[in-house]
Amino acid sequence: DGGITQSPKYLFRKEGQNVTLSCEQNLNHDAMYWYRQDPGQGLRLIYYSQIVNDFQKGDIAEGYSVSREKKESFPLTVTSAQKNPTAFYLCASSWTEDTEAFFGQGTRLTVV
Amino acid sequence: GIQVEQSPPDLILQEGANSTLRCNFSDSVNNLQWFHQNPWGQLINLFYIPSGTKQNGRLSATTVATERYSLLYISSSQTTDSGVYFCAAPRDSNYQLIWGAGTKLIIKP
Repeated sequence: DGGITQSPKYLFRKEGQNVTLSCEQNLNHDAMYWYRQDPGQGLRLIYYSQIVNDFQKGDIAEGYSVSREKKESFPLTVTSAQKNPTAFYLCASSWTEDTEAFFGQGTRLTVV
Repeated sequence: GIQVEQSPPDLILQEGANSTLRCNFSDSVNNLQWFHQNPWGQLINLFYIPSGTKQNGRLSATTVATERYSLLYISSSQTTDSGVYFCAAPRDSNYQLIWGAGTKLIIKP
C-alpha cells in the first residue's frame, strides 16, 4: 500500500541521549516535513525538505537535525540539545508546496 | 504572515446531531486542508479545498476564498467522529502549512 511509515510508534529516551525517528514514504513525493505536537496544541514545523539533499529549518528547528539522502526517507534526530523533547512527532509528505499533504501515524517520544 | 483561527475550540454534541466548524484565515491562500486527528493521534485527510464545496459522505466542506473562511459540516454525527479537527493553510513560501489550534469534538452516545 502507498503511504508514509513512521517508526517506532513509541520511543523512550534517557536525558542526554540522541535519538533518531524514521520516516519513509512510497508515494514518490518530492517534499517531506517533520512536525511536533504537544498535548492539546496544534502542529509546529521542525524541518522540511523540498528535494533530495536539501532541507530548510521550520519554526522550531533548534535541537533537531535531519537528512534527506534518499527521496523516500527523511529521518529526524532529536539531539541532547533539545530542552523539552517529550512530544508527538508527525512526518508528512506532498508532491509540491501547493498540493495535499499526507501524514504518517506519528511517534510518541518520552524522555525519562 | 498568515494567521489561521478555528472556532469553536470545543464542541460537545449528542450522537445524530449536525455540526459546523469554522476556519478563518487572515490572507488569501492557494489551498486549504481539513484534517481529523483521531484519539490515537493519526491525522486523517478530510478535504483539500482551496475554494468551492466538496462532499464526502456525511462530511462536506466549503471554502469562500474571497471572504477568507472555510466551513466543515458534519451531519448525523457518530461517536467515531470524535477527535480534533484542524484546518491548515500554506504560509507565504507555500511549503509551510500554518495550522489552526483545532476544534475538539466530542460526540456522546
